[in-house]
Amino acid sequence: GNSVTQMEGPVTLSEEAFLTINCTYTATGYPSLFWYVQYPGEGLQLLLKATKADDKGSNKGFEATYRKETTSFHLEKGSVQVSDSAVYFCALRKAGANNLFFGTGTRLTVIP
Amino acid sequence: DADVTQTPRNRITKTGKRIMLECSQTKGHDRMYWYRQDPGLGLRLIYYSFDVKDINKGEISDGYSVSRQAQAKFSLSLESAIPNQTALYFCATSSGGSTGELFFGEGSRLTVL
Repeated sequence: GNSVTQMEGPVTLSEEAFLTINCTYTATGYPSLFWYVQYPGEGLQLLLKATKADDKGSNKGFEATYRKETTSFHLEKGSVQVSDSAVYFCALRKAGANNLFFGTGTRLTVIP
Repeated sequence: DADVTQTPRNRITKTGKRIMLECSQTKGHDRMYWYRQDPGLGLRLIYYSFDVKDINKGEISDGYSVSRQAQAKFSLSLESAIPNQTALYFCATSSGGSTGELFFGEGSRLTVL
């Protein structure tokens, strides 16, 4: 079946540190992959996405590359800010499917 | 104003009570979804609807029902609430397609005592 596994948190980093949040997936075919972010007290919002192998999604300094060979879509940012503190969700949608499958979420806290 | 609005934002109720969570959207999307979020479990799909006449069960529909009153409105009901339905509930909309982005409301926190 379809599933997403992401690294457990919480993750605490100092401002300007490098961030990696790992995400691997299981799916047949060629799913589309997403990172959503949930800021405190808000709903989820799309951070970035990639729709085919080797695509790189990027937004707000965050990047993730769709790696078919390792079935991964790790989220990275070179220099985090306090305002990046949030919960990050990796998700996939199988081609032709109606639903997004979400990972369990990783809470990031950035301290000054 | 938010594009996807959920009411109520917070509700505390007792076991056995009927509860309705409402969602309305101004994005003009045909597709609407209800998810619940539990710590350590991420988001799980309860029901989804692709138009007014289309209702589909998600992963965890038992104990829930929905109504799509109009393109812009999609409500979730708990006919007889139980404590393990305590969770954060999100409504979302989408324009569709395999890469279609989901737009979420701010969530409705439900506590069942």
